Amino acid sequence: RKEVEQDPGPFNVPEGATVAFNCTYSNSASQSFFWYRQDCRKEPKLLMSVYSSGNEDGRFTAQLNRASQYISLLIRDSKLSDSATYLCVVNPTGGGNKLTFGTGTQLKVEL
Amino acid sequence: ETGVTQTPRHLVMGMTNKKSLKCEQHLGHNAMYWYKQSAKKPLELMFVYSLEERVENNSVPSRFSPECPNSSHLFLHLHTLQPEDSALYLCASSQDRSGTYTGELFFGEGSRLTVL
Repeated sequence: RKEVEQDPGPFNVPEGATVAFNCTYSNSASQSFFWYRQDCRKEPKLLMSVYSSGNEDGRFTAQLNRASQYISLLIRDSKLSDSATYLCVVNPTGGGNKLTFGTGTQLKVEL
Repeated sequence: ETGVTQTPRHLVMGMTNKKSLKCEQHLGHNAMYWYKQSAKKPLELMFVYSLEERVENNSVPSRFSPECPNSSHLFLHLHTLQPEDSALYLCASSQDRSGTYTGELFFGEGSRLTVL
């Protein structure tokens, strides 16, 4: 089983749609979780951290389900500029900087 | 100007060549990383330097040799590479704080390597 697993997509959605991505992780002892965004031919950038209580940043909502070992990202009112690859990232040890990345889910927002 | 700068952006080399990738961070961070990104594969952590000391070496073949002369600079020396080493090599930095970790890595734009 992969350490971090994501549906690669692509998810093609119309502008204004709501879209959700899920990600599962294999290490039940994992401590911290993140979503990164990577635009085409660009470097990954931190989008948001994922907290146990769930967290929201504008149109973006991230949630963590420790019991089922999955993380979700919800994007409301999609914009063309949201088109990118969304990387699920897990810190399996809780300390240090050894992040484990998923392969990413590609989102294409269309007119 | 980005906080993490990588050169060269593109590199084509033969299997017998020796080349180096360079990374410089202008963010005052104390940890630097090399990641490999291949098509349809997740980012693979190669090396981690914290306070200029190598703290992680993820079973990377010896044909990749990192060097961290100071907290702002990181190199990846390449020699006798194989075609399967063709990939995007990403440098990143972060600020290590004992006991806490924000999960934020700042990446450079990458060096796209093609091995012929």
